[in-house]
Amino acid sequence: GNSVTQMEGPVTLSEEAFLTINCTYTATGYPSLFWYVQYPGEGLQLLLKATKADDKGSNKGFEATYRKETTSFHLEKGSVQVSDSAVYFCALALRNQGGKLIFGQGTELSVKP
Amino acid sequence: AAGVIQSPRHLIKEKRETATLKCYPIPRHDTVYWYQQGPGQDPQFLISFYEKMQSDKGSIPDRFSAQQFSDYHSELNMSSLELGDSALYFCASSLSGNYGYTFGSGTRLTVV
Repeated sequence: GNSVTQMEGPVTLSEEAFLTINCTYTATGYPSLFWYVQYPGEGLQLLLKATKADDKGSNKGFEATYRKETTSFHLEKGSVQVSDSAVYFCALALRNQGGKLIFGQGTELSVKP
Repeated sequence: AAGVIQSPRHLIKEKRETATLKCYPIPRHDTVYWYQQGPGQDPQFLISFYEKMQSDKGSIPDRFSAQQFSDYHSELNMSSLELGDSALYFCASSLSGNYGYTFGSGTRLTVV
């Protein structure tokens, strides 16, 4: 089946540290890949996406590259801020399955000043 | 810019009661998705509609039903509520063929 696996949290970093959150996927077709962010008490916001192999999604200093050979879509940021503290969800969608999103379990990030 | 509107934001119901959640998609978006997010869990797909017809069904209990109306808004009806139904319920809309999902802020349902 189709699934997404993320590194377990919580991840605690100091401000300005480098962030990596690992995400790997299993899919029967060629998925589009997404990272969503959820701040406490809020909804899901699209952070970035990539729709084909070798695409790089980027937004607000975050980046992720669609790696078909390793079925991965790791999220990175060079210098995190306290305001980046949130839960991050990796997700995939398959066009031949109605486009619904399949989420990973989420990774909580806590950035300390 | 218009966003996905969900109502109510918060809802408290007793066991065995009924709840109705509403979702108003972004204008001209033709697809609506419903997701359930339990405490500390990832969102789980419930059901989707394309052009007012059910297009896909996920792990939605038989006690739940949903529909999309002529104005494209959608309602999720939940009957015989159980404590385990307490969760955040998200609606998302998109234009078919475009992975531009936009999520609403969600409805937090608490069953007591």
